[in-house]
Amino acid sequence: AAGVIQSPRHLIKEKRETATLKCYPIPRHDTVYWYQQGPGQDPQFLISFYEKMQSDKGSIPDRFSAQQFSDYHSELNMSSLELGDSALYFCASSLGGRSYEQYFGPGTRLTVT
Amino acid sequence: AQKITQTQPGMFVQEKEAVTLDCTYDTSDPSYGLFWYKQPSSGEMIFLIYQGSYDQQNATEGRYSLNFQKARKSANLVISASQLGDSAMYFCAMREGLRTGGFKTIFGAGTRLFVKA
Repeated sequence: AAGVIQSPRHLIKEKRETATLKCYPIPRHDTVYWYQQGPGQDPQFLISFYEKMQSDKGSIPDRFSAQQFSDYHSELNMSSLELGDSALYFCASSLGGRSYEQYFGPGTRLTVT
Repeated sequence: AQKITQTQPGMFVQEKEAVTLDCTYDTSDPSYGLFWYKQPSSGEMIFLIYQGSYDQQNATEGRYSLNFQKARKSANLVISASQLGDSAMYFCAMREGLRTGGFKTIFGAGTRLFVKA
């Protein structure tokens, strides 16, 4: 079965650079969630989209922005990167706004040097 | 205030035995969902089980069952017949406002389970 695809899987950036993470949800899934998981920490909810509209917002820094496109894929744009942004970034998708099962992608490991 | 509390940072269990991972939560929303995820050392997040606040029966999925005690606000995960492959980090999570369009999902700090042969 098709799963959530995230690209790139690994990314190394320098401070103050920008990064774009991409997420391709499971086919027919219309809801996308973004999470940030620091080393040894639990995942922190950043933002979600349902039917291409932002549906909820968590602890996403102002330096980050995200959107969901017409084909339901989503991109997380991160600017002015800081060392503290180094983390594993997960995208998850679900079918329908009230579907409870979130299927996670493999994550993008971002390292900021 | 912590909304999801997992009080067991680490647990050991003998292979083939059952183990209970604790999770308590805090919410005033009547409509919420509780989840458990498994994160192996490889890093991926694997959905295990879901319990809705209005569900009358405890959720079960194969060897996983959720002991939902609404009045006590607890949602413990029970893994029966533990296997070596169950060694992983386990996260309890909650999503509030299911009926009003809430999407934010909050995770607990996790419990690392070690299964001994």
